[in-house]
Amino acid sequence: DSGVTQTPKHLITATGQRVTLRCSPRSGDLSVYWYQQSLDQGLQFLIQYYNGEERAKGNILERFSAQQFPDLHSELNLSSLELGDSALYFCASSVAQGPGGYTFGSGTRLTVV
Amino acid sequence: AQKITQTQPGMFVQEKEAVTLDCTYDTSDPSYGLFWYKQPSSGEMIFLIYQGSYDQQNATEGRYSLNFQKARKSANLVISASQLGDSAMYFCAMRVLTSGTYKYIFGTGTRLKVLA
Repeated sequence: DSGVTQTPKHLITATGQRVTLRCSPRSGDLSVYWYQQSLDQGLQFLIQYYNGEERAKGNILERFSAQQFPDLHSELNLSSLELGDSALYFCASSVAQGPGGYTFGSGTRLTVV
Repeated sequence: AQKITQTQPGMFVQEKEAVTLDCTYDTSDPSYGLFWYKQPSSGEMIFLIYQGSYDQQNATEGRYSLNFQKARKSANLVISASQLGDSAMYFCAMRVLTSGTYKYIFGTGTRLKVLA
């Protein structure tokens, strides 16, 4: 157990629907990052939050949004889903500074049918 | 431009042998961190090893070592005495400080298959 909790682990939904992915960071970590990993692709950075504020934005579609709550958990909202949104969505957390890398959650596998 | 390049999409290695996974990076920042992650077929991302740009010695963690050649901008991962459980996707990543926040850049990964 990495200490980063993602729910649900698997999600199957239809095109056009909206889903919410949840992430609880490791205790003490203030930064939360969201990544998308499509089949046989590398990790694409979506968005980062630090202590409730958006800090960096990557290749996140307008149909996607995220937020980080006062208890530091984060949610990634995906709407108007398309088949191409099927992917593994990772959340990672880190302390603000330090030599360590990210700590990844186990991911949410989203399948859009 | 800041970039991580992994030129080996897939590799095979015989069990108990050593294998080197290549990674080159590009950044103009003097301070950066380099990481390797393992992603088994189950999907989770597992942190393996870290090398800071100012570290004088190559990082080692058990059977993993990072061959850091700063002048060549390479950060190759060496796995010694390969085991069947090492079969996985391996990602090289770089952390840089941009506009006051850390930014992570990942390579496209190398799929390693260990043969019995």
